[in-house]
Amino acid sequence: NAGVMQNPRHLVRRRGQEARLRCSPMKGHSHVYWYRQLPEEGLKFMVYLQKENIIDESGMPKERFSAEFPKEGPSILRIQQVVRGDSAAYFCASSPVAETQYFGPGTRLLVL
Amino acid sequence: TQLLEQSPQFLSIQEGENLTVYCNSSSVFSSLQWYRQEPGEGPVLLVTVVTGGEVKKLKRLTFQFGDARKDSSLHITAAQPGDTGLYLCAGEAMNRDDKIIFGKGTRLHILP
Repeated sequence: NAGVMQNPRHLVRRRGQEARLRCSPMKGHSHVYWYRQLPEEGLKFMVYLQKENIIDESGMPKERFSAEFPKEGPSILRIQQVVRGDSAAYFCASSPVAETQYFGPGTRLLVL
Repeated sequence: TQLLEQSPQFLSIQEGENLTVYCNSSSVFSSLQWYRQEPGEGPVLLVTVVTGGEVKKLKRLTFQFGDARKDSSLHITAAQPGDTGLYLCAGEAMNRDDKIIFGKGTRLHILP
């Protein structure tokens, strides 16, 4: 049973470009969570999704950020018109129900 | 206000010594998890505690959940360089719609 997969592992974008981060949850997991982590910081919750539904997006910036978890395929975290302050590690986690989460290896986004 | 306070923030000790790190809150948690994160990787789940007063052991690591389910501790016996990493606690707060909340972590460095 493969773990949570995230790609790309590293992503470099110039200011104003779009970043698309993908997360494939563990098999059988229908709950996906996205977190952001800055250097020397803990994890900051962004959004919680179930298949085709956003359950809680209270941690998402109001502009430029969006997330989806379609019926088929991975969950996508999309950042439009990236700025330098978006540089961070973005982690996805999945769970079978709303309980213990299993994390992917993260995508490290660098905005030049 | 940080719902989960972890202490100490940083800890550097010699190989072979014992240590305890703490995760404290004024809120009651229905469950609490401990994760270890190594540089460049995602957090890896170590343990989940659910019952007040529960003690779980994982080799040289001992996890305890407070009787009131507001705090937890992680004790490491005879620390080894492989224990180096960021230790994160996370929990489902009962007064926060069961959202999982993370502490900022304790950064542990074991000197050989």
